[in-house]
Amino acid sequence: NAGVTQTPKFQVLKTGQSMTLQCAQDMNHEYMSWYRQDPGMGLRLIHYSVGAGITDQGEVPNGYNVSRSTTEDFPLRLLSAAPSQTSVYFCASSYGPPLAGDTDTQYFGPGTRLTVL
Amino acid sequence: GNSVTQMEGPVTLSEEAFLTINCTYTATGYPSLFWYVQYPGEGLQLLLKATKADDKGSNKGFEATYRKETTSFHLEKGSVQVSDSAVYFCALRIIYNQGGKLIFGQGTELSVKP
Repeated sequence: NAGVTQTPKFQVLKTGQSMTLQCAQDMNHEYMSWYRQDPGMGLRLIHYSVGAGITDQGEVPNGYNVSRSTTEDFPLRLLSAAPSQTSVYFCASSYGPPLAGDTDTQYFGPGTRLTVL
Repeated sequence: GNSVTQMEGPVTLSEEAFLTINCTYTATGYPSLFWYVQYPGEGLQLLLKATKADDKGSNKGFEATYRKETTSFHLEKGSVQVSDSAVYFCALRIIYNQGGKLIFGQGTELSVKP
């Protein structure tokens, strides 16, 4: 298994450009999520999905869109990039939502480092 | 609100030294607590967890005990190795919408010198 993969690893954008961060997992996990990691702030939840066709907002969703057309893929879209979106982005997946039990161990991808100029 | 506070890094230790990374939390109810580790260039990996008060999580020589009275979950290891150099994140899990979500501390970078 490849686990959770993310592309690209690095990206530089200009303000106003759009792009899509890709995330894929091959573990047949239902639950997937996107976090951003900023210095001194830990990881914050952007959007999450409990299964194909179902997405919801996390704590910092503004400026980002997601969709979940397949179980494997969960892309994150920036429609009009802003310098405040400069961050490291992590995708994570788990068999079930992070609630209880052994099904909720989250597996993280290696991250995408995004810089918006 | 719910939050996690970790000791600031970076923490630099010599090989075989004793490690403590402090973590305290604020939460309603009784959250589950986690330590994640991020090795250079990689994503986060679950290191250990504890789901109720007085539980001790352990893995790879690391331990942490869920202390409800002090709202703490400090990470310890008796003898660190160079390969333990990484960023360590404390996190709590709370109920959120259709499931739960993790709330992370800011991370503590550990550097172990030979």
